[in-house]
Amino acid sequence: DGGITQSPKYLFRKEGQNVTLSCEQNLNHDAMYWYRQDPGQGLRLIYYSQIVNDFQKGDIAEGYSVSREKKESFPLTVTSAQKNPTAFYLCASSPGQNLGYTFGSGTRLTVV
Amino acid sequence: DQQVKQNSPSLSVQEGRISILNCDYTNSMFDYFLWYKKYPAEGPTFLISISSIKDKNEDGRFTVFLNKSAKHLSLHIVPSQPGDSAVYFCAAKQGAQKLVFGQGTRLTINP
Repeated sequence: DGGITQSPKYLFRKEGQNVTLSCEQNLNHDAMYWYRQDPGQGLRLIYYSQIVNDFQKGDIAEGYSVSREKKESFPLTVTSAQKNPTAFYLCASSPGQNLGYTFGSGTRLTVV
Repeated sequence: DQQVKQNSPSLSVQEGRISILNCDYTNSMFDYFLWYKKYPAEGPTFLISISSIKDKNEDGRFTVFLNKSAKHLSLHIVPSQPGDSAVYFCAAKQGAQKLVFGQGTRLTINP
């Protein structure tokens, strides 16, 4: 079955540490996205990539980094520079210029 | 600047009645609108969409209405069922641009 997989589902990080969230899709989608969900703020775009080896900052990119070395993979690194990293992170993909997104099941990151 | 707004953070409806979720947008260039449904600790799933050339799209219990002059769209669910309790996100896009999401509305269906 085609889909988009995020791992791990829950992640704990100590302050000052970097952590990488995984996102893999086998839908052959060109575009991939990372969103962050906080209570009452909906989905805010962190980074997106429309093709391999290319990505753009979204609305809240500070403190995050991404890479897109393969079409199937779009990992997100939450760096120690991100001041409030505790949130629910969602990865999505879409077939480029097509219409809707397919979302992963999310990763809840907690800084302890 | 919030281009897509869902002004009601929450909505409570009795089972069997109609649920109406509202969404307003500011960008008149948006040409496609979508609704997503999200359960806690899960990713959003696509529910229904509408192109700007239409004013209504229906899929079973779900109907989306678009009023371009008012820059407003709404999602109607009838009859509402307990499994409809979730957060609903409105989203819009212009051409091949990325989706812009609203803040979400938490719908609770009461038995």
